[in-house]
Amino acid sequence: SAVISQKPSRDICQRGTSLTIQCQVDSQVTMMFWYRQQPGQSLTLIATANQGSEATYESGFVIDKFPISRPNLTFSTLTVSNMSPEDSSIYLCSVEEGLDQQFFGPGTRLTVL
Amino acid sequence: GENVEQHPSTLSVQEGDSAVIKCTYSDSASNYFPWYKQELGKRPQLIIDIRSNVGEKKDQRIAVTLNKTAKHFSLHITETQPEDSAVYFCAASTGQAGTALIFGKGTTLSVSS
Repeated sequence: SAVISQKPSRDICQRGTSLTIQCQVDSQVTMMFWYRQQPGQSLTLIATANQGSEATYESGFVIDKFPISRPNLTFSTLTVSNMSPEDSSIYLCSVEEGLDQQFFGPGTRLTVL
Repeated sequence: GENVEQHPSTLSVQEGDSAVIKCTYSDSASNYFPWYKQELGKRPQLIIDIRSNVGEKKDQRIAVTLNKTAKHFSLHITETQPEDSAVYFCAASTGQAGTALIFGKGTTLSVSS
């Protein structure tokens, strides 16, 4: 399967600031997704990152808070804007390979103080 | 939208026993059902999946069954080993373009030797 990397692996940020998380894949993929996993919880889909067009957001997530870029078929970014402690979470990107199968990046652990 | 319920939330078995985890979904348009294993501090790993045109799939000690009429699917692990201890998540596709996934809340499986 594709090798997926995320940067940063972890960060501690101050309330009110923004953080951009990068997701890089070593091969071209059509579908990329962003998920959030709060401590001890399940994974929640934030949005589908569409190449060449705006991301498709799930209910409860908005572009102003979580802007997403997808400039090409190997890269995407998720920005967490105007952060509050409630945004402390692990953020994971995933890519779809083959027939529907989805593989996850290592995650970015974000702590907001 | 899709909703996925997963039971039980915790499961403790003795080494060598079988473990069964059950999930139900709400959206009849869902057609792809993967299972992920997540060890502490690691990314979710795809362990097996099933599509709506198949009723059962096996891979060594792991099997998944799907009942489309009842909208439920199950993970079966036979001859459990301590290294099977982890959190297991079921998921269902949202039915939208691409395979965005909605996850169940997870089952913490503990296998004692």
